[in-house]
Amino acid sequence: AQTVTQSQPEMSVQEAETVTLSCTYDTSENNYYLFWYKQPPSRQMILVIRQEAYKQQNATENRFSVNFQKAAKSFSLKISDSQLGDTAMYFCAFMHIQGAQKLVFGQGTRLTINP
Amino acid sequence: GAVVSQHPSRVICKSGTSVKIECRSLDFQATTMFWYRQFPKQSLMLMATSNEGSKATYEQGVEKDKFLINHASLTLSTLTVTSAHPEDSSFYICSANRNQQPQHFGDGTRLSIL
Repeated sequence: AQTVTQSQPEMSVQEAETVTLSCTYDTSENNYYLFWYKQPPSRQMILVIRQEAYKQQNATENRFSVNFQKAAKSFSLKISDSQLGDTAMYFCAFMHIQGAQKLVFGQGTRLTINP
Repeated sequence: GAVVSQHPSRVICKSGTSVKIECRSLDFQATTMFWYRQFPKQSLMLMATSNEGSKATYEQGVEKDKFLINHASLTLSTLTVTSAHPEDSSFYICSANRNQQPQHFGDGTRLSIL
């Protein structure tokens, strides 16, 4: 079974700083997707960024980028120029391409951006 | 705008009541819908996978007689918490996906059983 591990339960940085959230996963599959979701206090689940495992290039969405290391099974999220609105729970998630396409979530990292 | 609508957003009811939660995909036909439960300060726990016209597939440890799932159409899935008790109080959230696309989540339902 696939597992996703986020080893940082909480992180806190000052506004405008850069922060990196860690995520590792375990799978025997070769084709899959990886995601970062943001869950603010409203508890909505918001897709931040996605990465297809077959793509070597790291995904980027504005201030958000990932460092995808397939061999190491590592998928970290970097938030540049952090903003107060980035304060939220962040979940790393794994999804098979084939089959039921279930999401497997990590434990989450609570990120606080301080003014 | 929202592509998955979940209702109600908040339910408070007495112990023994059955509660139905609806999940609708608004502008697409969902291949599959998923139901999650989230305890405070914890991650999302998958309860079941729902496909239109077939029985839901429940995760290990989830009581299918307690959490009834009906997937009547490609745009609607319902979760009924039968004879709810205080331990069923939680945040329930659904999601829907099109093939190989990221899951779109509903806004969740906060269930409180008194």
